[in-house]
Amino acid sequence: KQEVTQIPAALSVPEGENLVLNCSFTDSAIYNLQWFRQDPGKGLTSLLLIQSSQREQTSGRLNASLDKSSGRSTLYIAASQPGDSATYLCAVRRSQGAQKLVFGQGTRLTINP
Amino acid sequence: GAGVSQTPSNKVTEKGKYVELRCDPISGHTALYWYRQSLGQGPEFLIYFQGTGAADDSGLPNDRFFAVRPEGSVSTLKIQRTERGDSAVYLCASSPYDRGGEQYFGPGTRLTVT
Repeated sequence: KQEVTQIPAALSVPEGENLVLNCSFTDSAIYNLQWFRQDPGKGLTSLLLIQSSQREQTSGRLNASLDKSSGRSTLYIAASQPGDSATYLCAVRRSQGAQKLVFGQGTRLTINP
Repeated sequence: GAGVSQTPSNKVTEKGKYVELRCDPISGHTALYWYRQSLGQGPEFLIYFQGTGAADDSGLPNDRFFAVRPEGSVSTLKIQRTERGDSAVYLCASSPYDRGGEQYFGPGTRLTVT
């Protein structure tokens, strides 16, 4: 059974810092991995999706990497801003046929002005 | 265009009552998913529809939970004889037919069972 872990559970950093959020998964046979952002009381916003054949994806100040063999992904946020404060979730999909996502518990990020 | 919408946004019900939660997916998306998120946790998969049929319902916790999607668009999640442990945010997502596609989530329905 696939298990996804995100460490740390919470992170607080000053504005302007670069930071890395970690995601690990127990079964390396994944189809893709998706990073989401969740604001308090809101739904999930997709940030980046990495297919299993890819090593990384970039969108603006965000860069996500994937190392399938070690069961790890990182989300790098450059030049953090207070508006980046949210909970960040990673989720893996097992195969092309298995549509469900298995989520980590999230990292609650606070950027202090 | 319009995203995934869910109604109601909040629902408070008494233990033992029946509730229905509605999801309107993005137009043209054939795949629809329901997840449940408890406080401080990541979402957990409940059920997945491809078109009108439930392709995977392995996440439904017990037979009090049921979901339908009769015309391949709107879906309703139905919970019978609600229990306090059913309190959570119920999230709906949709994706296009492309099996590699991203899932797009709605804002969720917060269910509170008193």
